[in-house]
Amino acid sequence: EADIYQTPRYLVIGTGKKITLECSQTMGHDKMYWYQQDPGMELHLIHYSYGVNSTEKGDLSSESTVSRIRTEHFPLTLESARPSHTSQYLCASSASRGYGYTFGSGTRLTVV
Amino acid sequence: QQQVKQSPQSLIVQKGGISIINCAYENTAFDYFPWYQQFPGKGPALLIAIRPDVSEKKEGRFTISFNKSAKQFSLHIMDSQPGDSATYFCAAFSSGGSYIPTFGRGTSLIVHP
Repeated sequence: EADIYQTPRYLVIGTGKKITLECSQTMGHDKMYWYQQDPGMELHLIHYSYGVNSTEKGDLSSESTVSRIRTEHFPLTLESARPSHTSQYLCASSASRGYGYTFGSGTRLTVV
Repeated sequence: QQQVKQSPQSLIVQKGGISIINCAYENTAFDYFPWYQQFPGKGPALLIAIRPDVSEKKEGRFTISFNKSAKQFSLHIMDSQPGDSATYFCAAFSSGGSYIPTFGRGTSLIVHP
């Protein structure tokens, strides 16, 4: 079944640790996105990609980085996690020209 | 500058009542207006969507009303159920742009039994 997968679902880590949040989709979508969301709150676009080797910063400044080496994979990395990074991170994907926008279930990150 | 303004921020409705969430936009290039429903611990999922060439679209208990001249659209949930309790986001897309949606800030809906 075509879908978008995020791992881990929950993560608690210590300050200063490096982490990578994984996102993979099996729909063959060219575009992928990362959003940051506090519980039940506004969606903030932090990174997006139009395709392989394409990455762009979103509306919200973020200390994270992304890469897009394969169409289906769009990982997000925090080099040194801080408590201010505590949030939910949602990955999404869409076709190049189209309105179909599919979200993953998110990674709930807590930095202690 | 927020291009899609959503209200109210939170809404409490009794079971069987009508829930109404409103959105207003500024960019006249927007040409697709979806609503997303998000349950706790999940990502938003497409609920219903409308294009500006129609004034209303209905799917079961969910209806979008669209007013192009006022640049407003709203979600109506008829016969609201406790299972409808979720956060709802409106959004707007432009086919002439990047196809990246502009989201409203979300409405937390609670339906009391």
